[in-house]
Amino acid sequence: ETGVTQTPRHLVMGMTNKKSLKCEQHLGHNAMYWYKQSAKKPLELMFVYSLEERVENNSVPSRFSPECPNSSHLFLHLHTLQPEDSALYLCASSQHAGTGSSYNEQFFGPGTRLTVL
Amino acid sequence: GESVGLHLPTLSVQEGDNSIINCAYSNSASDYFIWYKQESGKGPQFIIDIRSNMDKRQGQRVTVLLNKTVKHLSLQIAATQPGDSAVYFCAENRGSQGNLIFGKGTKLSVKP
Repeated sequence: ETGVTQTPRHLVMGMTNKKSLKCEQHLGHNAMYWYKQSAKKPLELMFVYSLEERVENNSVPSRFSPECPNSSHLFLHLHTLQPEDSALYLCASSQHAGTGSSYNEQFFGPGTRLTVL
Repeated sequence: GESVGLHLPTLSVQEGDNSIINCAYSNSASDYFIWYKQESGKGPQFIIDIRSNMDKRQGQRVTVLLNKTVKHLSLQIAATQPGDSAVYFCAENRGSQGNLIFGKGTKLSVKP
């Protein structure tokens, strides 16, 4: 619908597991984002990629590792997560990255609902 | 703390009535604002935006008002329908950083 797809839609993992979230955008955008959405909290920006280069990392723990192999794909690799990491993880894309550019509409995917046991 | 927030976490309106959702921001450098709608099980969806050089912008059944003097943003939905039930977020784009800062959201419930 929005041109941004995410897989899987739901994921349950143990604290010792390694898993990856995938995002793909079909909009020809140059920037991609990972957000974390927890209950009753604002969307938290985790990572920003512009033209496959990471331009922002908002002090995210190293157990979250992003990868952007090209401008259409974005991954979030998960390793030894904690139960408090359970949340909805949203991917978004925009024409340009935010830095130095105003009017930055972002298009969101449906999210991956992650539960860490 | 968050500079973009909402006055009411929930809003319940009767079908056919108008809805007003409010948002406050604290950074006078913000130059662009967006309202997003998030339905259950979906990601946020763009509704309408406004630039800081405007006071009002209208879309289909929606109007966004910007009051820079008091740093206030509102979303008005005319003739609210059951399909409007969702969580609504405002977001600001700060010129110096450029990334969007989101508010907590207001949950709109429409009673038939």
